[in-house]
Formats: sequence, C-alpha cells, structure tokens
Amino acid sequence: AIQMTQSPSSLSASVGDRITITCRASQGIRIDLGWYQQKPGQAPKVLIYGASSLQSGVPSRFSGSGSGTDFTLTISSLQPEDFATYYCLQDYSYPRTFGQGTKVEIK
Amino acid sequence: EVQLVESGGGQVKPGGSLRLSCAASGFMFSSYNMNWVRQAPGKGLEWVASISSSSSYIYYTDSVKGRFTISRDNAKKSLYLQMDSLRAEDTAVYYCARDAYDNSGSWYYDLWGRGTLVTVSS
Repeated sequence: AIQMTQSPSSLSASVGDRITITCRASQGIRIDLGWYQQKPGQAPKVLIYGASSLQSGVPSRFSGSGSGTDFTLTISSLQPEDFATYYCLQDYSYPRTFGQGTKVEIK
Repeated sequence: EVQLVESGGGQVKPGGSLRLSCAASGFMFSSYNMNWVRQAPGKGLEWVASISSSSSYIYYTDSVKGRFTISRDNAKKSLYLQMDSLRAEDTAVYYCARDAYDNSGSWYYDLWGRGTLVTVSS
C-alpha cells in the first residue's frame, strides 16, 4: 500500500497568515492526489483534486501543487473559517490512503 | 436535493454484525462509483471499501477483508456495508462518499454523507 506522510501534524497560525501543508507519497502517484478539509462534527469536504484543480465553490485562497511524490496545499491568507483539519488522499491505486491529517489552530 | 444519508449504526458486541445503508438522492446513483470511509473517535480518516457503478469492481482495506462486504442496489439508489465479526477497533463514524471523475483522469470524493456511528463494545 502507498503510504502518505503528511506534515506538520498540527500548526498554529493567525488570520491572514500564509500556510503550507505537505504530503509525501511512498512512491510516485503522478498527480493523483486530493486535499480535504474537515471541521469538528462534520463530514470532510474536497478542496483540491488532481493535485492542483480547485473544486467548484472553494475559495481561490486555497491552492495545491506537486506531482510524483511531493505535494503541497497552500492557504494564501488564512480566514477564521479555515481553522480545521486537512487531509491528503491518494487516488492512484487501491487501497486508497489518507495522510494522517494536519490540524490548523488559531494562534 | 443531492445528498447521501447513512443509517444502521449503533452499538454491537465484539463478534457481532451490523449492516450500514447509504441512501442516495438527487443524482443518478447508478453512474457513480461509491465508497465507505471511517473515522475512529479522535483519529484520522481511513478508506474502507469501494464499489464500481455496476458492482464489477470491489476493493477493501486489508483490515476488513473477509469480514466486511460492500454492495449496492442501483434500483433502490442505495449502498450497503455488511460488517461481520466486528472488533473494538472497528468503532468509528462510517461515511459513504461518492466518487467523482474529472476528464483529466482524477478521482475524488465530491459528496459525503453525515456519517453513522458504529460502537463495538461489550
């Protein structure tokens, strides 16, 4: 199974900050990676798919990049509603695997 | 309204069985691959199983192979997860999720239910 290593596991940031979350795959997965946001008590929501395609309705402050084994999710200017946990998910092969998650907290 | 609604969760003893359902509405269910994803209390997301639109392809995570069975009834617009020989480590919120496909070749889970809680405890 492909292992997805996400970092950091948590971070503290202020409104307006630019933050970056990384995900590394244990083998090349082309651009077959998505990013999901989950708020407490809610189901996850897709933000980015295909490594860099923004899901309809998602604010443009979210962006994704990368290919092969290394990927990043960037939030250009953190907003109050962005404090949540973020997960990467590889869709290159089965079993599908998520990263461990990154909890973004208010500083 | 386009939505997925899970049901069937509850408390069960180790070794017991439970059948989860996911009712789809507002879209052509038979055209989409479907998935189960779970989340243990306070933990991250874990993919559990996937089934293709016509049930031709089925995949499971190793920890549930031989114990869980994913199925679907396109006429009833429903997805199922039969869970047998349940263990304490199966305790989680179980989500059903729809697989969307982009023409660039990307798959992603674009629609999720609110989840149903399964608790395995004596």
